[in-house]
Amino acid sequence: GAGVSQSPSNKVTEKGKDVELRCDPISGHTALYWYRQRLGQGLEFLIYFQGNSAPDKSGLPSDRFSAERTGESVSTLTIQRTQQEDSAVYLCASSLVTQSNQPQHFGDGTRLSIL
Amino acid sequence: AQSVTQLGSHVSVSEGALVLLRCNYSSSVPPYLFWYVQYPNQGLQLLLKYTSAATLVKGINGFEAEFKKSETSFHLTKPSAHMSDAAEYFCAVSVFSGSARQLTFGSGTQLTVLP
Repeated sequence: GAGVSQSPSNKVTEKGKDVELRCDPISGHTALYWYRQRLGQGLEFLIYFQGNSAPDKSGLPSDRFSAERTGESVSTLTIQRTQQEDSAVYLCASSLVTQSNQPQHFGDGTRLSIL
Repeated sequence: AQSVTQLGSHVSVSEGALVLLRCNYSSSVPPYLFWYVQYPNQGLQLLLKYTSAATLVKGINGFEAEFKKSETSFHLTKPSAHMSDAAEYFCAVSVFSGSARQLTFGSGTQLTVLP
């Protein structure tokens, strides 16, 4: 079956441009997460969606970052006026329910490079 | 709040030798614990999880981990390292509280397997 799909796999853009990253979760997974992974570092939580509930945005580093998800389908993470410190791999994960014993299934990430 | 500490950001072992990757957690309530592996340019793949059943958990690729409450540890082991085990490994803790997002990752351990 299909796993979590992220696009694009790589994105290179100039400082100051806006970028949009896409995540297709596993069908039927109600929970969706975005993480940022800087080079040589662990995962940094950004935002979490659960069904039609209000998202948990507590991890977003600045107001340049936003994300949307329609129902239990595709999510997009948007970074406005990109800065060099935004360069990282952005990982998306989904899980069946929000129960804590359910593992998260990860996509391969989008590698974002800001010139 | 929960936290995870992975001791040693880099571990090197010889092929055929024992692999031991350390993880200690902090949680005010009984945790669920996970180990993920990340190969280059890929997302995270679940290795194994502890969800309050057996304290010794067996995962994929010959890995296992033992939950030790008295030591607040969940170390990952494999009796004999293989070259294909070279990757980054992340320990994560999830607390069953019924609330949204409770998964916290450690900073990762890069495993190198020497021929």
